[in-house]
Amino acid sequence: DAKTTQPPSMDCAEGRAANLPCNHSTISGNEYVYWYRQIHSQGPQYIIHGLKNNETNEMASLIITEDRKSSTLILPHATLRDTAVYYCIVRVDNNNDMRFGAGTRLTVKP
Amino acid sequence: NAGVTQTPKFQVLKTGQSMTLQCAQDMNHNSMYWYRQDPGMGLRLIYYSASEGTTDKGEVPNGYNVSRLNKREFSLRLESAAPSQTSVYFCASRGRGIRGELFFGEGSRLTVL
Repeated sequence: DAKTTQPPSMDCAEGRAANLPCNHSTISGNEYVYWYRQIHSQGPQYIIHGLKNNETNEMASLIITEDRKSSTLILPHATLRDTAVYYCIVRVDNNNDMRFGAGTRLTVKP
Repeated sequence: NAGVTQTPKFQVLKTGQSMTLQCAQDMNHNSMYWYRQDPGMGLRLIYYSASEGTTDKGEVPNGYNVSRLNKREFSLRLESAAPSQTSVYFCASRGRGIRGELFFGEGSRLTVL
């Protein structure tokens, strides 16, 4: 599996967009990019995933570069409740091995 | 609709004792997982099971054994607990398909003295 690199921590002002980067320079053509987040000590929660195209759902947007070597998770209007650790994962569709890495601790400040 | 249920939620063991963490899911998922999370760290995969009757090692399998009892249940056993195994343990299950998102239990906090 390709590995991912994320900054250990980021701050964002409440109401502003939070842009969380992820580097996956060794990603293979059939590997998807997934994002999860973990609030406090709860189990992680799925946010979004994508292969090549940008994706948007009710929680966030995912921007994947054309060469697929990096991606950005965008929370368009961050709230205090978005304070969490965000994990970027790459995975081949038929591979059941799901590894999380260290993630980025996002702190949304008033 | 319970989702993923883990028991016990809290446990204190002495070094050398054994115990089993139980996990059950009611979503008819094929794949199940055990992770551990140490304070201030990310999740690390211990073992996973892609389907009933199969198990595979993850990143940190040493000191643990698993059993996929049936499609619903996936247990994690510590045969001889060590202080280094003090952690929060999460069980998860995953459905089929490209989205195949993980659903997590609430976690089990284990302390080994």
